Amino acid sequence: QSALTQPASVSGSPGQSITISCTGTSSDVGGYNYVSWYQQHPGKAPKLMIYGVTNRPSGVSNRFSGSKSGNTASLTISGLQAEDEADYYCSSYTSITTWVFGGGTKLTVL
Amino acid sequence: EVQLVESGGGLVQPGGSLRLSCAASGFTFSNYEMNWVRQAPGKGLEWVSYISSGGSTIYYADSVKGRFTISRDNAKNSLYLQMNSLRAEDTAVYYCARYLVVGATFDYWGQGTLVTVSS
Repeated sequence: QSALTQPASVSGSPGQSITISCTGTSSDVGGYNYVSWYQQHPGKAPKLMIYGVTNRPSGVSNRFSGSKSGNTASLTISGLQAEDEADYYCSSYTSITTWVFGGGTKLTVL
Repeated sequence: EVQLVESGGGLVQPGGSLRLSCAASGFTFSNYEMNWVRQAPGKGLEWVSYISSGGSTIYYADSVKGRFTISRDNAKNSLYLQMNSLRAEDTAVYYCARYLVVGATFDYWGQGTLVTVSS
């Protein structure tokens, strides 16, 4: 199972919005509404930010939102804040009962 | 508060073995499916293995199949990963992660334990 494709890096200024894409296939992203997004600060464990394509866990800011079209899922962060600077990973359940992650995107807040 | 605490990592020679543990607290461990996910230094996340709440259903990534064994002891609120025939490419931080069926996602993660395979 190949990793999902994410841009290596994105950047934005405080207050702006950014979007991170996550492209897979019909056997993972496109085939199920089981896309998740995780935030990881350096040296820390990943934190769940979005699950089931669009759902936010309790305690996650509503500045984070998710969507999906075909084989590509997206994470949008609005009103960028300095604390949002981190690595972001998407993941998806797959048709062969495994889970696959994206390669990760480094978000820089300028 | 949900807590997952991994232990057992360390330096091991290629071909060697290591057993990781994950101690769970703050939730009813026996009700939840669990996973191991790893992250090589400076690299992305890689799913390793899944185990159902009762331990009867298990899945592995192709990269570890036949070498790693996941297990759990619900009486001890603990998850394990027995790693045999270790290779340099198994060097990574290993995280245990609780599985949320709604969304097929990993909702809580431990802080990880580092496994280094080197001679």
